[in-house]
Amino acid sequence: AQSVTQLGSHVSVSEGALVLLRCNYSSSVPPYLFWYVQYPNQGLQLLLKYTSAATLVKGINGFEAEFKKSETSFHLTKPSAHMSDAAEYFCAVSERNTDKLIFGTGTRLQVFP
Amino acid sequence: DADVTQTPRNRITKTGKRIMLECSQTKGHDRMYWYRQDPGLGLRLIYYSFDVKDINKGEISDGYSVSRQAQAKFSLSLESAIPNQTALYFCATSDFRIAGPDTGELFFGEGSRLTVL
Repeated sequence: AQSVTQLGSHVSVSEGALVLLRCNYSSSVPPYLFWYVQYPNQGLQLLLKYTSAATLVKGINGFEAEFKKSETSFHLTKPSAHMSDAAEYFCAVSERNTDKLIFGTGTRLQVFP
Repeated sequence: DADVTQTPRNRITKTGKRIMLECSQTKGHDRMYWYRQDPGLGLRLIYYSFDVKDINKGEISDGYSVSRQAQAKFSLSLESAIPNQTALYFCATSDFRIAGPDTGELFFGEGSRLTVL
């Protein structure tokens, strides 16, 4: 069965610092992997997705993630945090040829001035 | 206007009451989903529908039922609400085409916050 583990339910960084949100997945077949962001009182919005093209995926708002099969990881990074990045971030996995997503438990990012 | 619209956005009800959450979409997608979000638990799938005649249970379907009235409409019902169904509920849609531009992506509504007293 597929699963996703997000390490750290809360991450705090200073404005301008590196953002690193960790995600490890478990899947018996090559997966599709996603990062979604949820701003306060809003639905989920896709940040980026990996569907078997380049292993380094660039998303919106300067975020990127790298698919590392050997480490079963898909960590989300941003070189320089902005106050507007404060939100909850969800990693998700699905099997290829299906769009049933399994979500991680989420990581809340706080950005301090 | 939003592509995926949920109503109501907020609802407070009492234990034992019947509640319906409605979802409509203008994206033309065949697939629709209901998820529940609880703090610290992420999103969990309640029900999903691949077309009007195809409805499937997700991982936490007990206590819920759904109706797919049309391609664009998918409603979630709580026949007899209980306090542990207090949560934020999301409807989502997808356009499943292999190698299509939206492959695998879900498009979410803004959520319906339900409180059961």
